[in-house]
Amino acid sequence: NAGVTQTPKFQVLKTGQSMTLQCAQDMNHNSMYWYRQDPGMGLRLIYYSASEGTTDKGEVPNGYNVSRLNKREFSLRLESAAPSQTSVYFCASSGLASGDEQFFGPGTRLTVL
Amino acid sequence: GENVEQHPSTLSVQEGDSAVIKCTYSDSASNYFPWYKQELGKRPQLIIDIRSNVGEKKDQRIAVTLNKTAKHFSLHITETQPEDSAVYFCAASIGNNDMRFGAGTRLTVKP
Repeated sequence: NAGVTQTPKFQVLKTGQSMTLQCAQDMNHNSMYWYRQDPGMGLRLIYYSASEGTTDKGEVPNGYNVSRLNKREFSLRLESAAPSQTSVYFCASSGLASGDEQFFGPGTRLTVL
Repeated sequence: GENVEQHPSTLSVQEGDSAVIKCTYSDSASNYFPWYKQELGKRPQLIIDIRSNVGEKKDQRIAVTLNKTAKHFSLHITETQPEDSAVYFCAASIGNNDMRFGAGTRLTVKP
């Protein structure tokens, strides 16, 4: 049982480049989330998906798109990366069996030059 | 939307002392209040949570209290140990979606 996995672990982009962060969970959870974590600002929700086929904006959605590919996978896309998107990105999931507890992935450290 | 404020931003205690971290929230509809611990370079992990129909919850050395009227909740760690050193985050949400986190408290437990 791997829990929540994320790829890549690290990424350096140039301004304007695009990339997709991948997230997968093997806990049969319905809900999945993408957060960014910046120093001194805690975790901020970018997008979430309450169930397969649905996605909703969180606190800071601008500059990002998401796809809930299936129940297991939830990807985050940066179409045109900006230095302000330099951050650590965490994916999380939760399900009925876990109550409301969100389980986090190991994170992706993204630097945009 | 929900706004969560957390205090203090840093907290240093002596081993064996208690530590208290406080959070306030703005949306009276919020009904789920988790606390996460994050060690350096690691992912956040849930340590305790409380729902709005409960005023207090304990798990060994950790307790959380909730005051719905005042819209604040607190984390209490007793008999602190060096391994309690980490960043702690509070959060609030309606159900489990659109969760808002506090900015975090860096706890240092000195041996």
